[in-house]
Amino acid sequence: AQTVTQSQPEMSVQEAETVTLSCTYDTSESDYYLFWYKQPPSRQMILVIRQEAYKQQNATENRFSVNFQKAAKSFSLKISDSQLGDAAMYFCAGDMRFGAGTRLTVKP
Amino acid sequence: NAGVTQTPKFRILKIGQSMTLQCTQDMNHNYMYWYRQDPGMGLKLIYYSVGAGITDKGEVPNGYNVSRSTTEDFPLRLELAAPSQTSVYFCASSYLRSGGADEQFFGPGTRLTVL
Repeated sequence: AQTVTQSQPEMSVQEAETVTLSCTYDTSESDYYLFWYKQPPSRQMILVIRQEAYKQQNATENRFSVNFQKAAKSFSLKISDSQLGDAAMYFCAGDMRFGAGTRLTVKP
Repeated sequence: NAGVTQTPKFRILKIGQSMTLQCTQDMNHNYMYWYRQDPGMGLKLIYYSVGAGITDKGEVPNGYNVSRSTTEDFPLRLELAAPSQTSVYFCASSYLRSGGADEQFFGPGTRLTVL
């Protein structure tokens, strides 16, 4: 079964700065997708970005991008130009497996 | 489209009571999932279903049962509630399996407290 590990329980960033959230995973599959979800205080889970392991190009969605290192089984999320609305729990996820989450605080 | 809806939003149970958490999706998704999220933790898979009539256990199935009689509905049954089942429960759905391209769409969650 796939495993997903997030080793940063909490991170903080100054508004307008850049922050990187880390995630490592393990899987026996040759092709798979990885996801980052955001959970604001409302509890609603929202997809931030997805990456197909088969693609070498890192996924980008506006201010959000990933650094996917397949050999190292690393899948980090970079948030550029951080905004107050980015404050939330962020979960790395694979196939029905979620990491423990990173709580991101954005300081004004 | 309403997406994924869950009822109730909140519930307090006494030890030993039973209840059913309802989940409905209107996106014609094949896959549906139940997760629990303990305070400060990630989501753990309880059960999932690949289509009507087909269900399978996840990481933490003990104390729960599910059924999938229609594409739309995927209720989660708690029998003999225990304090360890105090958690927030999320239902989710996806067209394809979650590890195969499709994102999961989540309901708003049910906060359950067992006293």
